[in-house]
Amino acid sequence: QVQLQESGPGLVKPSETLSLTCTVSGGSISSYYWSWIRQPPGKGLEWIGYIYYSGSTNYNPSLKSRVTISVDTSKNQFSLKLSSVTAADTAVYYCARGEGGAQGPMVLGYWGQGTLVTVSS
Amino acid sequence: AIRMTQSPSSFSASTGDRVTITCRASQGISSYLAWYQQKPGKAPKLLIYAASTLQSGVPSRFSGSGSGTDFTLTISCLQSEDFATYYCQQYYSYPPFFGQGTKLEIK
Repeated sequence: QVQLQESGPGLVKPSETLSLTCTVSGGSISSYYWSWIRQPPGKGLEWIGYIYYSGSTNYNPSLKSRVTISVDTSKNQFSLKLSSVTAADTAVYYCARGEGGAQGPMVLGYWGQGTLVTVSS
Repeated sequence: AIRMTQSPSSFSASTGDRVTITCRASQGISSYLAWYQQKPGKAPKLLIYAASTLQSGVPSRFSGSGSGTDFTLTISCLQSEDFATYYCQQYYSYPPFFGQGTKLEIK
């Protein structure tokens, strides 16, 4: 059974860079698309971007200037960096696997449990 | 960008009821529509994709329909574990917007 686990600091200062890693277990990171999604407290879901195991990426235009997603296939991990954060970036951050195939990369069949990142001084 | 609007935003129902949640896209998205269930403090769970295809392991009381701009999620006989928030998501074009969510509460 594929499992995803987010890790990283739970508190980030304004203007700094948020960094999270998602570790995939129970399956290979190869041949799938891997997304980051966030959810501000009490609000809805926002897709941040995805990376294919080969390294190609696609980002939400609303965040594109601040987002970098990378992959380390040797560790079965992928990572998120979000720069110049503000309080508006406070959210639960989820990593997820896109199922690919005929439905493409954005049907998200496996999710991590999520990690709350608070932006505050 | 193609935005998604769900209705209602919340409502109450009883165990055993048949309930329908509606999702409307701002432009046609063919059948590129998924539904997710989220319980408090948990990650979303994929229920349906391609508007009407049930994800493996999801109970058959869940069903989806629609194409183009109008979609529905139906739960045929509510169980206690179904009280949660439901999100639709279009994946016809980027970015893949989610609806604002429909919170299903116990009456």
